[in-house]
Amino acid sequence: QSVLTQPPSVSGAPGQRVTMSCTGSSPNIGASSDVHWYQQFPGKAPKLLIFRNINRPSGVPDRFSASKSGTSASLAITGLQAEDEADYYCQSYDNSLSASVFGGGTKLTVL
Amino acid sequence: EVQLVESGGRLVQPGGSLTISCAASGFIFSSYYMTWVRQVPGKGLEWVGRSANKVDNYITNYAASVRGRFTISRDASGNSLHLLMNSLKIEDTAVYYCVKENWYYYEDWGQGTQVTVSS
Repeated sequence: QSVLTQPPSVSGAPGQRVTMSCTGSSPNIGASSDVHWYQQFPGKAPKLLIFRNINRPSGVPDRFSASKSGTSASLAITGLQAEDEADYYCQSYDNSLSASVFGGGTKLTVL
Repeated sequence: EVQLVESGGRLVQPGGSLTISCAASGFIFSSYYMTWVRQVPGKGLEWVGRSANKVDNYITNYAASVRGRFTISRDASGNSLHLLMNSLKIEDTAVYYCVKENWYYYEDWGQGTQVTVSS
C-alpha cells in the first residue's frame, strides 16, 4: 500500500481533458513537501513530467499541468492524445519516514 | 547529455548478495545526489535509497525495507554509483533504476537493470 494514493485508472477520449489525483497526508504533501509527477510507458523508464508542484521540464508540452492544495495534488492533461496513454506517478517526501514516497500510479487510457 | 547506464542485474538465490552499478556521464557526478528506485514488474515505484553529493559528504539514506541490507557507494573518480545488496529476499526482485536527483525530484533515469531473487 502506497503512502500517496492515486486512482488506479482514468480514461478519456482524444481531445478531452482528464485529471488524476494524488492524495497524501500531513507528514508529506500536507507538510508542504513538493509534489512531482512522472510519466512511464510500458517497458520504459519513468520520465519527469512536473517538478515542484507546477513546473514543466523543457520539452514537456503545456497540455500537462499540475496543482497542489492541502494534502492533495492533481495532474491535468488537456487536448488528450493517443500518445499520452501511459502510467503516471506522483512523488513527494515524507518527513515522518524520512524517505521519498511514490503513489501507486494511475493508468491513463485514451479511448 | 546526461547518461545513466545500469549494469550487473542477474538471477541470485535468496540470502545471496549482488552489486549493481550505474555509469554516469554528461554532468558533474560529484555535485548531484544520486538515488536508486526500484519497480516490481507491473507494479509501482519504490524509493530504495540515495547518496548525497560531495558537499554533503556523500551521506547515504535508505528505505526501511532495505536498511541494514543494502549499501550505496560511489566511485567518484570513475563516475559510478553502486548498490551492494546483501541478504536478498524474493521481494527484492525488481527492475532497479539509477536516478539523478535534483532537490528531491528525479530529473534523469537510467534504463534499469533486472534483479531476480529466486531459488
